Parts: sequence; C-alpha cells; structure tokens
Amino acid sequence: QKEVEQDPGPLSVPEGAIVSLNCTYSNSAFQYFMWYRQYSRKGPELLMYTYSSGNKEDGRFTAQVDKSSKYISLFIRDSQPSDSATYLCAMKWRAGSYQLTFGKGTKLSVIP
Amino acid sequence: GAVVSQHPSWVICKSGTSVKIECRSLDFQATTMFWYRQFPKQSLMLMATSNEGSKATYEQGVEKDKFLINHASLTLSTLTVTSAHPEDSSFYICSASYRGEAFFGQGTRLTVV
Repeated sequence: QKEVEQDPGPLSVPEGAIVSLNCTYSNSAFQYFMWYRQYSRKGPELLMYTYSSGNKEDGRFTAQVDKSSKYISLFIRDSQPSDSATYLCAMKWRAGSYQLTFGKGTKLSVIP
Repeated sequence: GAVVSQHPSWVICKSGTSVKIECRSLDFQATTMFWYRQFPKQSLMLMATSNEGSKATYEQGVEKDKFLINHASLTLSTLTVTSAHPEDSSFYICSASYRGEAFFGQGTRLTVV
C-alpha cells in the first residue's frame, strides 16, 4: 500500500460546478497537508497548507482534513476553465521538514 | 512569494551525452534544495536533497554517479544527468524551501533520443 493514495482521474466537470478532490494516507505521522496545482509542463504551485483537522477556506478553495480517517479533501467552488490542471496532495511529518510525500495527482478539466 | 527558476525548460539530447539543469532561488537564499522526477501520470518522486556546501543525499534507488548534484552557492543547485539514456527521459523539477514552504521551479522536460 502506497503512503498516499490519490485517484488520478481524469475528472471533467462543467464550468460553475463544485469540484471535490481527495487523498487518503496510511501513515498517521503525517501532520501537515498541502494541495498543489500543476499546469501542464509547469512546476507545482502551492494552493493550500493545513495542519489541524477541520476546514480552511481561501476564496473559492476549501481544504478539509480528517486525521481520524486519514483523509483530506480540496473543494473548488464555482469552478472555472482556468482551474483545469493537475492537483497534487502532499504531506509531511514536521513543520520544519522540507521533505514532502506526494499523491499521484488528479487531472481536472473544467468545460466551458 | 519566493521564486525558484529552473533552466532550461526543455532539452533534447542524444543518448550517451550529459545534460545540466540549473535551479536558482531568485529572491531568497536556499541552503537546501530538492530534485524530483515526474513520469507521465505519476507523482513527483524525490531523487535527492541538495545541501549547500556539502554532498547531496540521494533517495534509495537513485544512482548518485549518474545524477550529479552540485549546490555550490546559496542560490544555485545543478543536476547533471550523465550518459543519458532514453529511459532517463522525464520531467525534472527542483524545489527550495522558504519559511517552511516548498516552492517549485518550472520543471525541465528532458528527452533523450
């Protein structure tokens, strides 16, 4: 079993839809959780960074962490064609640690 | 935010030749940088941790003699793929940490023919 599981998709939704992206993990030592967006042929860019269980909102994006279930989610409201990208979840053990464990990424297409 | 620049964005080389990829932190100093490799539809896999002024730390299964890393200054790390073969074709991405967050370069698409 891989440490981080993420459905690679692809996922296609109509513009304006609510998108739900998820990752599960097996190692309870992971304490810090991130979501990255990666456009084609580009490096990942950080979208959300969370620590505690619960929700964190930033504009149209909401990150949700459930440590008891080892499950994290990213919700995108009012999705736009510009949101079309691959979304990667990432995790690490300590705040000061620089080493991340990534999911495979979910490829999202938002259709106008 | 912090900016990490990677060069070149893409490169095509002949089998058996060597290719150097540069990773620069433009507006901050990075004592530690990371090199990842990403195959199509796969996740980023950490290859090595590059430490300024000391030897890089390689992940299990990564050949240190094939993937040479030099971190000679606080703003520059280089990855040299030596004697490249078609199976080395991949997307190589570097990252540097700034205030606890990882910032990534644009990536380098390497194609070995």
